Amino acid sequence: KAGVTQTPRYLIKTRGQQVTLSCSPISGHRSVSWYQQTPGQGLQFLFEYFSETQRNKGNFPGRFSGRQFSNSRSEMNVSTLELGDSALYLCASSLAGTGGGQPQHFGDGTRLSIL
Amino acid sequence: GQSLEQPSEVTAVEGAIVQINCTYQTSGFYGLSWYQQHDGGAPTFLSYNGLDGLEETGRFSSFLSRSDSYGYLLLQELQMKDSASYFCAVRPNAGNNRKLIWGLGTSLAVNP
Repeated sequence: KAGVTQTPRYLIKTRGQQVTLSCSPISGHRSVSWYQQTPGQGLQFLFEYFSETQRNKGNFPGRFSGRQFSNSRSEMNVSTLELGDSALYLCASSLAGTGGGQPQHFGDGTRLSIL
Repeated sequence: GQSLEQPSEVTAVEGAIVQINCTYQTSGFYGLSWYQQHDGGAPTFLSYNGLDGLEETGRFSSFLSRSDSYGYLLLQELQMKDSASYFCAVRPNAGNNRKLIWGLGTSLAVNP
């Protein structure tokens, strides 16, 4: 069974540009969550999608947005990139998302560098 | 507010036992999860405690006490490959925003 796939793995952008990251969850998983991770920091929750609907949202500015398609694949978009957006962006999928017993399966992440 | 606290760093030697604590302040949650993340890698699920008590999976065990608002991850017979960051996480079971809440992680260094 294929794991969570994130593309691209690495990305370099400049300030002011926008970027779209993609996540394909494990087959059958309907919940997709996005996280931002910077060196020495924990996992900062961005948002969670379930059945094409945003179910939960973290405390990030509106420049960060996402969506989920009918096949559960998800994208996140960051507009007007800032230097502080340089980070590892992780996507995680789970079967349903609610109920603590559902483990999250993470992709290898997209490492975004802003110049 | 809701928060989880873990020690930032722990150091141990091969073969030893180490306990990583996770204390929390949250009104209600489904259970406590633990994840491991090696440098440059993705977090991987280790264990989940839905009920109070001890869950054992090989060299790793996890414990939850809701009455004491804390849990821990116990790693036995430490190996060099156990050097990684360990995160605890809970999902609230009430309110509109039930996002998974994460601790900041504990960096474990296993020395020879």
